[in-house]
Formats: sequence, C-alpha cells, structure tokens
Amino acid sequence: GAVVSQHPSRVICKSGTSVKIECRSLDFQATTMFWYRQFPKQSLMLMATSNEGSKATYEQGVEKDKFLINHASLTLSTLTVTSAHPEDSSFYICSATKPSGSHEQYFGPGTRLTVT
Amino acid sequence: GDSVTQMEGPVTLSEEAFLTINCTYTATGYPSLFWYVQYPGEGLQLLLKATKADDKGSNKGFEATYRKETTSFHLEKGSVQVSDSAVYFCAYNNAGNMLTFGGGTRLMVKP
Repeated sequence: GAVVSQHPSRVICKSGTSVKIECRSLDFQATTMFWYRQFPKQSLMLMATSNEGSKATYEQGVEKDKFLINHASLTLSTLTVTSAHPEDSSFYICSATKPSGSHEQYFGPGTRLTVT
Repeated sequence: GDSVTQMEGPVTLSEEAFLTINCTYTATGYPSLFWYVQYPGEGLQLLLKATKADDKGSNKGFEATYRKETTSFHLEKGSVQVSDSAVYFCAYNNAGNMLTFGGGTRLMVKP
C-alpha cells in the first residue's frame, strides 16, 4: 500500500498566529511531496512541490514567505501558514510519490484550517 | 495550455441509474489519465487510471476508457448507489509528477 497521513485533520487558529500542518508517508519513502489548497466546492490548486533536502518550488501567485514548506526527510513534509488571516481558511491536501517512477500521487486525508 | 474539462455538476441520479461523467483533456503526447473520488470532508482517493490509448481503467463498478482520438476519459457506472455520492475529479499526468485536475463533478445519488 501507500498511505499518507496528515496532522492535524482540523485546526482553528486566531488571526496573526502561525499553524503547522504535517504530511507523512507511512509505508514508503516519498521522493516528492505536493501541497494543494482546495476552496469549497472547487478543484485542487497546486501550491508547491517539494523534494527532500531541497527548497520547494512554488506555483505562481503562492507567497513563499507565507506558506513555508520544509521537507526534511523522505517521509515528512510540513506546511506552515505564517501570520494566518481568515482568507487563509481552506482545506489543505498533501500528496506524495514513490521513488518507483510511476508518478502516481498518493493523497493525504486533508487538513481543514479555520482562521478566526 | 494543457487543461482538463469536466461536465459541471451537480449530477443528481436515483439509485441504480446509469452514470456518465464526461472528461476531455488538452495535452501533448500521451499522458496518463486518472479519476479521483473525494468523499465529504476527506482527501482524494484514486478510483481508476489508464496509462495508454485504448486502456480501460475499472474499479468498484466504475469504468473509463482512454480515447486518444477524442482526447476523452469519460467515467461510467452501470448502477449507482447512494454511497457513490461524492465529488469526482478527472486528472492527467504528462511526463513528470505533476497532476492537472479538472474542476470536479459533484454526484448526488438519491435512494
């Protein structure tokens, strides 16, 4: 199998605070991890692609300093939303690929962030 | 540019009805094609995939055939159940890891 977990599943934070979301590949080493954002009733928007040990590649329009991504190991990537504001409230989903080269992405269950 | 177009929802069906969700793509080369399903409050699960022309992906009664000539990958199921109610995303991957998603189609199945 290929299981990806996210923690927390839900988080509520106050404006101005920072929140960290973890994405873990539980039974495989992930060469690449992806972070998506999904607004209500909309499709997934790719935010960034991260490879272990290197800087993340951000999509156009995504603020690097606001959405900090760290991929310190082959099984863990973190997304930190800094100085969160209500407009950052969203569903954040990560995915990971295996080293096998199949390019298939395995998705986490998502994290619902609410900024009050 | 490359894109995926799905029929807009919501699609509302009665239980045991036939389902078709259209998906067409614009891409160069021979991408791999996917259907993902998202149940309420959850992440995406791979439903089925096809990696080359004329391949048919199938899972849980759902099927989709990779049609290169019409650049389509329509999702079908002969008899839907209430438990199939979810949002379905068509996607493709064209050399490399990145997925391009369609806008999603919400399916509502009534008993």
